[in-house]
Amino acid sequence: RKEVEQDPGPFNVPEGATVAFNCTYSNSASQSFFWYRQDCRKEPKLLMSVYSSGNEDGRFTAQLNRASQYISLLIRDSKLSDSATYLCVVNRGTRLTGGGNKLTFGTGTQLKVEL
Amino acid sequence: GAVVSQHPSRVICKSGTSVKIECRSLDFQATTMFWYRQFPKQSLMLMATSNEGSKATYEQGVEKDKFLINHASLTLSTLTVTSAHPEDSSFYICSANQGASNQPQHFGDGTRLSIL
Repeated sequence: RKEVEQDPGPFNVPEGATVAFNCTYSNSASQSFFWYRQDCRKEPKLLMSVYSSGNEDGRFTAQLNRASQYISLLIRDSKLSDSATYLCVVNRGTRLTGGGNKLTFGTGTQLKVEL
Repeated sequence: GAVVSQHPSRVICKSGTSVKIECRSLDFQATTMFWYRQFPKQSLMLMATSNEGSKATYEQGVEKDKFLINHASLTLSTLTVTSAHPEDSSFYICSANQGASNQPQHFGDGTRLSIL
């Protein structure tokens, strides 16, 4: 089983639609969780951190369920510029917990927003 | 603005050449930096952790003699791909933490390496 699993997509949605991405992780010692966005042939850019209480940033809402080891990202009112690959990223843990602050990336979910 | 700078952004060279890639933290000190590699349509894979003033730690399956890492200062880590071959062609990206270890990492722009 992969450490971080995502549906690769692509998700093709019309502009204005709401779309949700899911991610599961296998390492229960994981401490921190993030969603990154990666455009074609570019470096990943942080979209948002994910907190247990759930957090929202404009049109983006992230949720974390530690018991189920599940992370989600919801995008409302999607725009053409949201087209990208969304990476679910999990921190393996700190040096104290043996994780070395290393990140594990999912393969990404591709989103295509169309007119 | 960018907090991690990576150079060069693109390298094309002949097989057998060694290629050095630089990763700099801008306006902050990074005792630890990370080097990743990404092949087309695949996820980023951590290659090694670069530790300032000590040896890098490599992930399983990554040859330390092939991918030399030097972290001589708190703002600079270098990755040298020695005697590169076509199978080393990939997108190499570095990252660093600006704050506490649970804070998100910032990534450099990446280096696209093509070995002919």
